[in-house]
Amino acid sequence: AQKITQTQPGMFVQEKEAVTLDCTYDTSDQSYGLFWYKQPSSGEMIFLIYQGSYDEQNATEGRYSLNFQKARKSANLVISASQLGDSAMYFCAMREIGGNTPLVFGKGTRLSVIA
Amino acid sequence: DTGVSQDPRHKITKRGQNVTFRCDPISEHNRLYWYRQTLGQGPEFLTYFQNEAQLEKSRLLSDRFSAERPKGSFSTLEIQRTEQGDSAMYLCASSLERGGIGGTEAFFGQGTRLTVV
Repeated sequence: AQKITQTQPGMFVQEKEAVTLDCTYDTSDQSYGLFWYKQPSSGEMIFLIYQGSYDEQNATEGRYSLNFQKARKSANLVISASQLGDSAMYFCAMREIGGNTPLVFGKGTRLSVIA
Repeated sequence: DTGVSQDPRHKITKRGQNVTFRCDPISEHNRLYWYRQTLGQGPEFLTYFQNEAQLEKSRLLSDRFSAERPKGSFSTLEIQRTEQGDSAMYLCASSLERGGIGGTEAFFGQGTRLTVV
């Protein structure tokens, strides 16, 4: 079974600073994908970034980057140059690639960006 | 295509009533998921379909819950004899699975918020 652990219930960051949101995972799958989603107060889940287990490079998407450490089973999200609009819940998720398993989510981290 | 749409956005029902939610996925997507999310928690998997086949159901999906995707397009989630504990946001998501070629992200609808009174 797959499991995602997000140990930070809440985080604060000053505007324009960088912040790291932690995510560790557990799986017996050899080939898997890791995802980060943002959920603002309006409720929609917004896909941010994806990392495949066999990808050698860490994924980057604009101000988002994923610090993937396979041996440690961690997939931390780094947000650079935080903006007030980044305040939201952030969820780490994973699933097996090519298999019949659903996307499994962590409990999330609430990020608050302070002006 | 404007993305995943869910209807209704909000539903208030009396305990014991049946409710049905609809999800229209992105048109070319072959996989459709249902999740439940309660306040302050991450989405919990309920069930998912590959085309019209229901491939997996969570143990969270009691006998009062049933989901269908009759033609491999839209899906419905029905809850019979609702209980107050069913109050939650019900999220639908869809993705395009290409047989192991990379992992594809799931796109979510805006959810249906159910309140059982």
